[in-house]
Amino acid sequence: EVQLVESGGGLVQPGGSLRLSCAASGFTFSAYDMHWVRRATGKGLEWVSTIGTAGDTYYPGSAKGRFTISRVDAKKSLYLQMNSLRAEDSAIYFCARGLTTAPALGYWGQGTLVTVSS
Amino acid sequence: QSVLTQPPSASGTPGQRVSISCSGSSSNIGTNSVSWYQHLPGTAPKLLIYSNNQRPSGVPDRFSGSKSGSSASLAISGLQSEDEADYYCAIWDDSLNGLYVFGTGTKVTLL
Repeated sequence: EVQLVESGGGLVQPGGSLRLSCAASGFTFSAYDMHWVRRATGKGLEWVSTIGTAGDTYYPGSAKGRFTISRVDAKKSLYLQMNSLRAEDSAIYFCARGLTTAPALGYWGQGTLVTVSS
Repeated sequence: QSVLTQPPSASGTPGQRVSISCSGSSSNIGTNSVSWYQHLPGTAPKLLIYSNNQRPSGVPDRFSGSKSGSSASLAISGLQSEDEADYYCAIWDDSLNGLYVFGTGTKVTLL
């Protein structure tokens, strides 16, 4: 059974940093693109970052230069280093696994809550 | 603001059919495959449709997807109480150097 478990969320002050982790199990982690997606209260789903199987990374403008996605295949783990955090980064952050056959996010974790506030 | 526009809400009575639209352009939906997700706050989002009209295993056939030109649609037939949730279309837009874009989202409620 595919499982994705996020951790590392919490309360951080504006301008601070946080590192999210996602522990994967139940599939060959190294064979899949992995993603971070967030949802703020009252807002919709927002893509945050993607890392391919070769380590290629992708970010939207809102995350570029502040967030860094990484993976350690040997540990079946995905990470998101978030720096220079802003109030508008407050959201539940979800880890998701891609499909091999189509650009879609096939499995999702339950999410970890990040709150940026003084 | 997303380049994929959805109606903010849709509703129906139990057993009815509800359709949700996702409007884009020839350069995004027109050239990329569309996925659809269901999200109930407090739970993990769920993939309902990929490659415009393909259902992952375990997704009921009450959910169906289609695409025509620069628009896509998700239809839910035989509406059930557990279908009350938020629904999002999404594409991977190659033209923007690799961006995954979600639609604005549609809240489905039962009357």
